[in-house]
Amino acid sequence: SQQGEEDPQALSIQEGENATMNCSYKTSINNLQWYRQNSGRGLVHLILIRSNEREKHSGRLRVTLDTSKKSSSLLITASRAADTASYFCATDAALLSGGGADGLTFGKGTHLIIQP
Amino acid sequence: EPEVTQTPSHQVTQMGQEVILRCVPISNHLYFYWYRQILGQKVEFLVSFYNNEISEKSEIFDDQFSVERPDGSNFTLKIRSTKLEDSAMYFCASTRGRGKDTGELFFGEGSRLTVL
Repeated sequence: SQQGEEDPQALSIQEGENATMNCSYKTSINNLQWYRQNSGRGLVHLILIRSNEREKHSGRLRVTLDTSKKSSSLLITASRAADTASYFCATDAALLSGGGADGLTFGKGTHLIIQP
Repeated sequence: EPEVTQTPSHQVTQMGQEVILRCVPISNHLYFYWYRQILGQKVEFLVSFYNNEISEKSEIFDDQFSVERPDGSNFTLKIRSTKLEDSAMYFCASTRGRGKDTGELFFGEGSRLTVL
């Protein structure tokens, strides 16, 4: 089944504006994570929010989680040209095996372009 | 800062040939993963590996694929007889795996496989 579907698929904003990306998932989770990928590079972890948390901040990043709606949002405030990248949400399904054995399931990503 | 390293960065091969992609995970990590990303598409889970055996594998990870950790540091992905559709970026990742959930994954920069 599909997990972690991001919305929108692409987003273009002016430098200094805020960027909001959304993610929906289908099964119960232990946590939800956001990753960033610059073109042709590996994924870099940004932030993790656990299923019992509703909001988390890290620098210019703010993540919310609504487990009743099975959705999350990533807000990047005061965007910079260097924030141009693809952003992926990833879920850790609350399966019995747990502990890392199942890895993460990634969505298709939101391609964010910050125009200077 | 410890990092996951992957070699080669790019490999071009003929259809039907065997390919081995190599990864050196972070040394104190316990769980290892291979993911792949077809150009411009989502990051897809292939396999997870723990305690010298496969923990989980996806439908993509068929009999043409195998993984091993031959010497306690390297973690390899072998594709026995490559097909055109195997062309993708292959990412290795690792995590410490504490607790019941999958924490942050550390990704390598990827190996781009082109099958002609």
